[in-house]
Amino acid sequence: AQKITQTQPGMFVQEKEAVTLDCTYDTSDQSYGLFWYKQPSSGEMIFLIYQGSYDEQNATEGRYSLNFQKARKSANLVISASQLGDSAMYFCAMRAFYGNNRLAFGKGNQVVVIP
Amino acid sequence: NAGVTQTPKFQVLKTGQSMTLQCAQDMNHNSMYWYRQDPGMGLRLIYYSASEGTTDKGEVPNGYNVSRLNKREFSLRLESAAPSQTSVYFCASSTHREGTEAFFGQGTRLTVV
Repeated sequence: AQKITQTQPGMFVQEKEAVTLDCTYDTSDQSYGLFWYKQPSSGEMIFLIYQGSYDEQNATEGRYSLNFQKARKSANLVISASQLGDSAMYFCAMRAFYGNNRLAFGKGNQVVVIP
Repeated sequence: NAGVTQTPKFQVLKTGQSMTLQCAQDMNHNSMYWYRQDPGMGLRLIYYSASEGTTDKGEVPNGYNVSRLNKREFSLRLESAAPSQTSVYFCASSTHREGTEAFFGQGTRLTVV
């Protein structure tokens, strides 16, 4: 079974600074994808970024980048130049692409951006 | 584009009542999911359907049943609601292809009193 771990307590970050959100995972699958989602206070789930297990380069999407360390089973999200609108819950998720391909989530990280 | 549509958005039930949460997607996705979200617990998978006609239990299936009616629709039924089922419920769908994300409905806030 897949297990996603996000253990950081709520984080406060100054506007325009960068913040790193930790995510570790445990799986026996060889082919899988890692995802980060944002959930603002309004409640919707917003997809941010994807990293495939065979991707050699770290994924980037605008101000979001993923620090992927496969051997350590780590997929940390980096948000650069934080904005007030980045205040939200952030969830790390994982899905295998063969066999059991259910989508499993971590418990999330709360981020509050302060001006 | 509708994406994933969940109904209802809000519901209050009395203990012991039954109800069905509806979910439909128009993206021709094979996989569909039901999650519940409770404070501090993240999204926990209730049931999962990899394709039409198949369903599998997730992490917290007790007290729930599901039906994958066709490729578009995946419903979640509470036969006898309990206060412990007070939660926000999310439906999601995805393809099996690598590199594709799951899409979520807007959520259903359910309160059981």
